[in-house]
Amino acid sequence: QVQLVQSGAEVKKPGSSVKVSCKASGGTFSSYAISWVRQAPGQGLEWMGRIIPILGIANYAQKFQGRVTITADKSTSTAYMELSSLRSEDTAVYYCARALIAARQDWFDPWGQGTLVTVSS
Amino acid sequence: DIQMTQSPSSLSASVGDRVTITCRASQGISNSLAWYQQKPGKAPKLLLYAASRLESGVPSRFSGSGSGTDYTLTISSLQPEDFATYYCQQYYSTPPLYTFGQGTKLEIK
Repeated sequence: QVQLVQSGAEVKKPGSSVKVSCKASGGTFSSYAISWVRQAPGQGLEWMGRIIPILGIANYAQKFQGRVTITADKSTSTAYMELSSLRSEDTAVYYCARALIAARQDWFDPWGQGTLVTVSS
Repeated sequence: DIQMTQSPSSLSASVGDRVTITCRASQGISNSLAWYQQKPGKAPKLLLYAASRLESGVPSRFSGSGSGTDYTLTISSLQPEDFATYYCQQYYSTPPLYTFGQGTKLEIK
């Protein structure tokens, strides 16, 4: 059973960038896409974007276009999410989640354990 | 983008109660809907997909129904471990532009 294991908590200054990793343990990215979803404190879930690692193709939610970059390393079954120009409102738990590539079969399962990113001066 | 409107935003119920949560999409999504359960400090967990298909290992007291724009999650007899926040998600959009409902917090009465 595949597990997604994310990197540890980060504290960043406003204006800086953060890069969070998500490694598939017990499986690979073959035939799957990896999405990134964030959750601000006490708030709901917000999809940021996804990548199809075998193709290297990413697409992003309009809200994050130009500020987020999602990449993947097939050799290590690891996906990355980099968010730049950080502001306090980016303080959140960031999750990765796996989904099938096939259209309309792409519900999210499993999810990573989450990475808390705190943006504070 | 497809907007998902979930209701109620919070709900108080007792063990043994039957509860229903509703999710409405801003356009038809052809059953491309998933439900997730999230407990405090934990990642969301998939409960149902394709609107009504139960994920392996999820208790049968959870069920889903709906079509077009309107969908429901029903818990037939609440258990103590069911008190959590529930989210719906559409995965109909192509290219993918996934959206979630605002969440329903289910609390013990």
